[in-house]
Amino acid sequence: EDQVTQSPEALRLQEGESSSLNCSYTVSGLRGLFWYRQDPGKGPEFLFTLYSAGEEKEKERLKATLTKKESFLHITAPKPEDSATYLCAVQPYLFSGGYNKLIFGAGTRLAVHP
Amino acid sequence: SAVISQKPSRDICQRGTSLTIQCQVDSQVTMMFWYRQQPGQSLTLIATANQGSEATYESGFVIDKFPISRPNLTFSTLTVSNMSPEDSSIYLCSVEDSSEAFFGQGTRLTVV
Repeated sequence: EDQVTQSPEALRLQEGESSSLNCSYTVSGLRGLFWYRQDPGKGPEFLFTLYSAGEEKEKERLKATLTKKESFLHITAPKPEDSATYLCAVQPYLFSGGYNKLIFGAGTRLAVHP
Repeated sequence: SAVISQKPSRDICQRGTSLTIQCQVDSQVTMMFWYRQQPGQSLTLIATANQGSEATYESGFVIDKFPISRPNLTFSTLTVSNMSPEDSSIYLCSVEDSSEAFFGQGTRLTVV
């Protein structure tokens, strides 16, 4: 069964204190792994898509990496405005072609304090 | 990137009534997805909506409870029927555009 597990559930950081969020997954075949940021009362905001092990993508203070079993979202020198829930989702590959659904993890609630 | 508009943004409804949520995309897309996010939980796919065909529902979701329309390539509706307090959630529509999947802002539904 395709599954996504995110850890930790919640993370509290001081401003400037770098850390990493983990997304472990099991999937029959991976078409893509997605990272989103979600602020309270809003829809998920797209951050990254990763497709193959070894791939890395960066955006401002965020860097996402991918292995065959997990992905990390590294946050460098975070600021209070980085506080949000970060969601990871995998998209299994449909061997018959076409699109498939996103399977989401439960998310990591990040709080960055001044 | 696709821009998705959802209406209404929130509503409070009486149990036993129905609510139709609209999703408008600023570009033509083949597939649209409807998700539910229950309080404190992550997103769960309800159904996939293709233009010109019946929606495909995930396990645990049925057409009688969540009828979906997809009249063209930029628009879809999700109806939550015969609502109960357990239907209180955020409902989100989503589309894929190239390598990215975008979400609307969501409809926060409270059933009383």
